[in-house]
Amino acid sequence: EVQILETGGGLVKPGGSLRLSCATSGFNFNDYFMNWVRQAPGKGLEWVAQIRNKNYNYATYYAESLEGRVTISRDDSKSSVYLQVSSLRAEDTAIYYCTSLFLYWGQGVMVTVSS
Amino acid sequence: DIQMTQSPSSMSASLGDRVTITCQASQDIGNNLIWFQQKPGKSPRPMIYYATNLANGVPSRFSGSRSGSDYSLTISSLESEDMADYHCLQYKQYPLTFGSGTKLEIK
Repeated sequence: EVQILETGGGLVKPGGSLRLSCATSGFNFNDYFMNWVRQAPGKGLEWVAQIRNKNYNYATYYAESLEGRVTISRDDSKSSVYLQVSSLRAEDTAIYYCTSLFLYWGQGVMVTVSS
Repeated sequence: DIQMTQSPSSMSASLGDRVTITCQASQDIGNNLIWFQQKPGKSPRPMIYYATNLANGVPSRFSGSRSGSDYSLTISSLESEDMADYHCLQYKQYPLTFGSGTKLEIK
């Protein structure tokens, strides 16, 4: 059974930072490009970042709205992917989903940016 | 960036109706498009891959098609469990971009 579990969310003050983690199991993590997607309350989906696998030299790609403030990384030995977000703003408030090439999705983790 | 213009933003239909949702791509994306279904409080579920291919376990009343730059998701005969939000995603080019979503309600 595929399992994807995001952790690390919570309430953060504007200007703060956080690191989201995504632990996976049940599929061959090393084969997959991994993505983060977010959804602000009541809004649509927004792609945030992607990290390719070893065969593609772990290349990373980011949404322009977040570029410079986010870093995606992965640890194949732990079947995990991470998202570091800095200089958080109110508009970063959202559920952040971890997804393996959009096939398997976690339940999401809420990030609230507020003073 | 490739813009995905999704329509309608919301719609209401009766059980048994044929329903079509469309995403128009601002540039050529080939067939590099996924349709997702998302129910309240749940994660997105992929329904259609590569514009026309049904994902595993998706009922056959769902289908995807393409006409030029217009990509459509069709439900041939609406069932109550189809009430959800639907999103399209292009993965032809970075940054990957979603449509704005369609809220489908049952009359």
